[in-house]
Amino acid sequence: EIVLTQSPGTLSLSPGERATLSCRASQSVNSNYLAWYQQKPGQAPRLLIFGASSRATGIPDRFSGSGSGTDFTLTISRLEPEDFAVYYCQQHGSSPLYTFGQGTKLEIK
Amino acid sequence: EVQLLESGGGLVQPGGSLRLSCAASGFTFSSYAMSWVRQAPGKGPEWVSAISGNGGGTYYADSVKGRFTISRDNSKNTLSLQMNSLRVEDTAVYYCAKKLSASGTFDYWGQGTLATVSS
Repeated sequence: EIVLTQSPGTLSLSPGERATLSCRASQSVNSNYLAWYQQKPGQAPRLLIFGASSRATGIPDRFSGSGSGTDFTLTISRLEPEDFAVYYCQQHGSSPLYTFGQGTKLEIK
Repeated sequence: EVQLLESGGGLVQPGGSLRLSCAASGFTFSSYAMSWVRQAPGKGPEWVSAISGNGGGTYYADSVKGRFTISRDNSKNTLSLQMNSLRVEDTAVYYCAKKLSASGTFDYWGQGTLATVSS
């Protein structure tokens, strides 16, 4: 089973700053199958990035994804007030079919 | 517009059963694999089960194998999850999610339905 470890657990930043979130896999992940989601309280997760670096429909270009192998990064170039939320990475493997990281909470400093 | 609407959650005692449903609209339901993903209070999402577009392939997390059964009715655009022998640790919000083609990703999620297992 591939385990995804996200860091930091909590990131405190101000609007306008740059956010860098990390997702590290316990073994190599097919980049085509690495995604990032945003979740706000009381809402379902929302797909931001798929295939490690492709933005989903309607996602602003301040969100970008990068990485390969075991190290992946979600970058938010200039934080907007609506970006403060919890972010999860997710991969598609064999058993189990899908796994999620434990999340990074992005909070207002 | 893609819409996924779950129902069927509620309070059940340990050892009991629940059947969750997800009504899909806005896309060709039979063309897409679907999954159930759950999220326990204060925790991250956990994938539970998946089913192929034609229903011929089903997959389960080890934590629910032998207790949960996923199914779909493509004539009614409905996804279901039969949950038996429920445990306290199955308490969670259950989401149905549509798989993005050629990608191990979920591009649309329902609003979720809460299943609480407690005595």
